[in-house]
Amino acid sequence: QVQLVQSGAEVKKPGASVTVSCKTSGYTFTAYYIYWVRQAPGQGLEWMGWINPNSGGADYAQKFQGRVTMTRDTSISTAYMDLSSLRSDDTAVYYCARSTSSTGGDYWGQGTLVTVSS
Amino acid sequence: DIQMTQSPSSLSASVGDRVTITCRASQSIGRYLVWYQQRPGKAPDLLIYDASTLQSGVPSRFSGSGSGTEFALTISGLQPEDLATYYCQQTSRTPRTFGQGTRLEIK
Repeated sequence: QVQLVQSGAEVKKPGASVTVSCKTSGYTFTAYYIYWVRQAPGQGLEWMGWINPNSGGADYAQKFQGRVTMTRDTSISTAYMDLSSLRSDDTAVYYCARSTSSTGGDYWGQGTLVTVSS
Repeated sequence: DIQMTQSPSSLSASVGDRVTITCRASQSIGRYLVWYQQRPGKAPDLLIYDASTLQSGVPSRFSGSGSGTEFALTISGLQPEDLATYYCQQTSRTPRTFGQGTRLEIK
């Protein structure tokens, strides 16, 4: 069965960086995009960007340009999201999701809580 | 960026009711619209894609309609387990923007 399993919760200080991993199984990793979406406490969903695991090409929301990097390791079917220069308003649950170009996220990871606090 | 606006922001309905949530796009997106259900404390679940295609395993009481800039999600025969927040998302262009969500409460 398709599974996306994310790394565990993180606590970071302002200015630091965080890496969230998303290990996939049960399907051909290079056949689907990986979305990254975040959700601040009590707030809605926010699309951060996506990566094409086949090519490695990524597309980021303007808001995160310069601070986010999405990568993948095809040998272990895992995607990564790096977010730098963390601020308190980056405190959120970060999700990865599998997607085709038009169908949205059909399988999601369990979410990773990133807390930014001094 | 394409702005997605949902209405209402919240609603309360009884078991068995028919409920409709609307989503408006700031420009035409064809039928590139998906709907998600997010139960409290859980990741979103895909309900509908391409505006009206039901994702495998989703109960038939959920349906989607619309094209261009106006879309709707209808739940026919509300069930207690439908307590959730519902989001639309456009999949026409990047960034793949979401609506702000509609919180559905069961009376």
